[in-house]
Amino acid sequence: GENVEQHPSTLSVQEGDSAVIKCTYSDSASNYFPWYKQELGKGPQLIIDIRSNVGEKKDQRIAVTLNKTAKHFSLHITETQPEDSAVYFCAAYNFNKFYFGSGTKLNVKP
Amino acid sequence: DAGVIQSPRHEVTEMGQEVTLRCKPISGHDYLFWYRQTMMRGLELLIYFNNNVPIDDSGMPEDRFSAKMPNASFSTLKIQPSEPRDSAVYFCASSYSGLSDTQYFGPGTRLTVL
Repeated sequence: GENVEQHPSTLSVQEGDSAVIKCTYSDSASNYFPWYKQELGKGPQLIIDIRSNVGEKKDQRIAVTLNKTAKHFSLHITETQPEDSAVYFCAAYNFNKFYFGSGTKLNVKP
Repeated sequence: DAGVIQSPRHEVTEMGQEVTLRCKPISGHDYLFWYRQTMMRGLELLIYFNNNVPIDDSGMPEDRFSAKMPNASFSTLKIQPSEPRDSAVYFCASSYSGLSDTQYFGPGTRLTVL
């Protein structure tokens, strides 16, 4: 099956700085890579996703990049704000299977 | 829409008891998913349904776990008998067109088995 690894497990940045979270996957057949944000006491919420036919996608302060050759994808958050503090999960999908990474706890210090 | 609704939000039970978790998906969504979240194993997909039919239950940990979807607006996840290692947060999610579509998660049920 697929193996999704996520790094770092915790990330602390100053407000206004950028944050980058990286994930690798093992199965080259994976073709959909979403990122979810989970706030304390809530369910995960999709913030951005990318499919294997695209190398980069951007939505305001959030961007995701995908390198299919190296089998890794990254989440980039620019101009971080305290409300960005949460746990972020990457995921990979293939053949009707869905696998989450282990999560990154992002702390944005005001 | 109210989003995905789960009940109860918290459940505390004793080992050996039957536990039933409930979910109401977003109206119009054809897919419903059950996940379990623990510190040790993270988020795991347990089972999912398409048009009320179970498609893949390979994530269900043991026969003690069962899930049903009697109609498009209701699903249950049952654990019988419950064990302490079942303690986790259980999420229900729904989507229009499957795992590779935006999944909308409910608030979760925090289960504690004593």
